[in-house]
Amino acid sequence: DQQVKQNSPSLSVQEGRISILNCDYTNSMFDYFLWYKKYPAEGPTFLISISSIKDKNEDGRFTVFLNKSAKHLSLHIVPSQPGDSAVYFCAASALSNNNDMRFGAGTRLTVKP
Amino acid sequence: GAGVSQSPSNKVTEKGKDVELRCDPISGHTALYWYRQSLGQGLEFLIYFQGNSAPDKSGLPSDRFSAERTGGSVSTLTIQRTQQEDSAVYLCASSTTGGDYGYTFGSGTRLTVV
Repeated sequence: DQQVKQNSPSLSVQEGRISILNCDYTNSMFDYFLWYKKYPAEGPTFLISISSIKDKNEDGRFTVFLNKSAKHLSLHIVPSQPGDSAVYFCAASALSNNNDMRFGAGTRLTVKP
Repeated sequence: GAGVSQSPSNKVTEKGKDVELRCDPISGHTALYWYRQSLGQGLEFLIYFQGNSAPDKSGLPSDRFSAERTGGSVSTLTIQRTQQEDSAVYLCASSTTGGDYGYTFGSGTRLTVV
């Protein structure tokens, strides 16, 4: 069962504009959420996280928003840069069982110069 | 080393053969995970090692899959009698414990079963 869903397999934006990547989850036990970025032929790298006690976490150009009632989170990148082009994975876990981290299928972001 | 190292980076094997995938985690990381990513799918949890505790094998898809971690460091994932549906990228990750959830992933092993 896909407990973490990224319904957009791809997204294309113009350099300088905002990129918004979306993620939905079904398990109400999840209370910790992460975004990973993956370049071709490399493993995913941790980007930003948020715990369920917050609804927003910002780190430079990257902001993650969490809407617990909707079981939805999003990653905003602004301004987008060509180097941001990668596959972005959303992940979720319950702090009581952090080894069981569930990942979405990923969204391929392309930032055009 | 500076990162998580996996070998081989690519492996093509015939259906029915056994394969071994290796993961060398970051020195000092006590937690080690194996995931796999099939085409169009998310990362699927396979197995988790934490220190000297018994591993969490709940994600292994069948008894053809096994993994060990020797000396709390290097891990080997073994797939016996490979099937075409085993074709995927197998990713290893390691992390510290105590609340650091930023897993560090290796580059993966792309396994193709023909």
